[in-house]
Amino acid sequence: DAGVIQSPRHEVTEMGQEVTLRCKPISGHDYLFWYRQTMMRGLELLIYFNNNVPIDDSGMPEDRFSAKMPNASFSTLKIQPSEPRDSAVYFCASRATGTAEAFFGQGTRLTVV
Amino acid sequence: DAKTTQPTSMDCAEGRAANLPCNHSTISGNEYVYWYRQIHSQGPQYIIHGLKNNETNEMASLIITEDRKSSTLILPHATLRDTAVYYCIVSTNAGKSTFGDGTTLTVKP
Repeated sequence: DAGVIQSPRHEVTEMGQEVTLRCKPISGHDYLFWYRQTMMRGLELLIYFNNNVPIDDSGMPEDRFSAKMPNASFSTLKIQPSEPRDSAVYFCASRATGTAEAFFGQGTRLTVV
Repeated sequence: DAKTTQPTSMDCAEGRAANLPCNHSTISGNEYVYWYRQIHSQGPQYIIHGLKNNETNEMASLIITEDRKSSTLILPHATLRDTAVYYCIVSTNAGKSTFGDGTTLTVKP
């Protein structure tokens, strides 16, 4: 398996634009997690899904952020409208039920100017 | 999830054992201790986890105190490639946690 795949790896956008980050979890994994990492706040859990259903979105900073998982092999994190303070590295991770290891993707570095 | 406390940074000589401590005094009975590391800007990598018994795998050993209020991650023979930020996380659900600041381990030649 190629691991957790995130796209794009880098994204630069202007303030006010919509940004969509994508994640393909490892096949067979039924948990999917979205994280955000900044120098100020470290690595924060934004939302996680189990069997494509959002379980806990308490980490989503505000209504400008939304996440979906239409099927077991794809998830998106959308920011609309984007703001400079959204600049961060966004990680996606997946895990199989009954296992302890969450596998992380390489991240998407988002810069909002 | 219980809060964890780790030293901000540590140094270790190459080839020596690296012992990284973590305090988690408010841990609950059903919470596991997980260790991850993040090398440079890569995604975090799982190392090891445990509930109350000591654990060992090909990467590291995990020593959990009897009262479970603290633990130590041991890298038996640190190499330069082990230089990374090490995170100690306490949770009932692997992945469902916000990582703290971690310990920056620098392995020196």
